[in-house]
Amino acid sequence: AQKVTQAQTEISVVEKEDVTLDCVYETRDTTYYLFWYKQPPSGELVFLIRRNSFDEQNEISGRYSWNFQKSTSSFNFTITASQVVDSAVYFCARMDSSYKLIFGSGTRLLVRP
Amino acid sequence: DAEITQSPRHKITETGRQVTLACHQTWNHNNMFWYRQDLGHGLRLIHYSYGVQDTNKGEVSDGYSVSRSNTEDLPLTLESAASSQTSVYFCASSESRLWDTQFFGPGTRLTVL
Repeated sequence: AQKVTQAQTEISVVEKEDVTLDCVYETRDTTYYLFWYKQPPSGELVFLIRRNSFDEQNEISGRYSWNFQKSTSSFNFTITASQVVDSAVYFCARMDSSYKLIFGSGTRLLVRP
Repeated sequence: DAEITQSPRHKITETGRQVTLACHQTWNHNNMFWYRQDLGHGLRLIHYSYGVQDTNKGEVSDGYSVSRSNTEDLPLTLESAASSQTSVYFCASSESRLWDTQFFGPGTRLTVL
């Protein structure tokens, strides 16, 4: 199976630190889509970003930024100046040519005050 | 506001019972999905539907069934609940194109005793 790997199971940082969550994916497709979702302690899944494989431009949204590198099959997520409210489980996912979402196992981020 | 809801939010049942989890969306989305979330596995696709009367099996469909009689609803039925089906279940929907972003409901926590 073509996997999505989030090698960091859990990360703990102190508020205001920058933190990067890693995501590495496998694919044989030339067209695919990558996603990040956030799951706060309340349990719902919140959509953060979607990128397609033809757009390697990095994206910034406030304190969040994403670095997409096809050469290393990575789609990393950085939170700048982390806040306690950023504490959550973050999932990376890839949509393949069958249009199914393949999720990584998630990274739990704890931001301590 | 358009939304996606799941009911019940929590359910405890006994082994062997039939259980139905409801999913209702008011976005008029064509595509609907059911996932289960287990520790260490991220989210895994159970069943999905690309429109009324269309249903398809996902990665972990054994023991589950769905039916799509209208656009708004995709109920998930556990034919004979097993302890291995204790999990958190998420419903999701997306617009019409197969690669559209999926938006998730709040989840249902099911415990099978």
